[in-house]
Amino acid sequence: NAGVTQTPKFRVLKTGQSMTLLCAQDMNHEYMYWYRQDPGMGLRLIHYSVGEGTTAKGEVPDGYNVSRLKKQNFLLGLESAAPSQTSVYFCASSYSRWASGSFYEQYFGPGTRLTVT
Amino acid sequence: QKEVEQDPGPLSVPEGAIVSLNCTYSNSAFQYFMWYRQYSRKGPELLMYTYSSGNKEDGRFTAQVDKSSKYISLFIRDSQPSDSATYLCAMNGSGNTGKLIFGQGTTLQVKP
Repeated sequence: NAGVTQTPKFRVLKTGQSMTLLCAQDMNHEYMYWYRQDPGMGLRLIHYSVGEGTTAKGEVPDGYNVSRLKKQNFLLGLESAAPSQTSVYFCASSYSRWASGSFYEQYFGPGTRLTVT
Repeated sequence: QKEVEQDPGPLSVPEGAIVSLNCTYSNSAFQYFMWYRQYSRKGPELLMYTYSSGNKEDGRFTAQVDKSSKYISLFIRDSQPSDSATYLCAMNGSGNTGKLIFGQGTTLQVKP
């Protein structure tokens, strides 16, 4: 199993350009997440999905859109990139270990380093 | 005020030292408490988790939760250079969404 993969690994954008980050998982997980990680800020949730065809806003959703057309894929779009979106982006997927649904272990991809100039 | 607070460090210790990493939180509804380890330029990986209050030991690592004080700790005994990484505490959020609330992460360097 490849686990969680992210494409691309690195990208440099100019202000105003658009791009899509692709996340794929082969573990049949229902839940998927997009985070950004900035120095001293930890992981901040951008958007998440609890199943195919569903999406919801996280802590810092402004400037980003997402889609989950297939269970195994979760796309993150930047419509008009800004320097403030320079960050490392991580995708994660998870499942519930217990029938009660309380504990979810998240599996992370290797990250995408994005620079917006 | 953030729901989860973690001292970002950095923390530098000599090989063999005992390391203590800590987080405080404000939401008494949190039930599962996790520690993720993130090596440089890699994604985080789950290291340990604990349910409710108490201790859990796994080799050189011990996770401790004190719900009365809203305080969790990760202890590393006989630290090794291979333990050099960023350690993030995480706690489960509300509902059945699988959302986690992460601390800022503490960067640890263990010097040979």
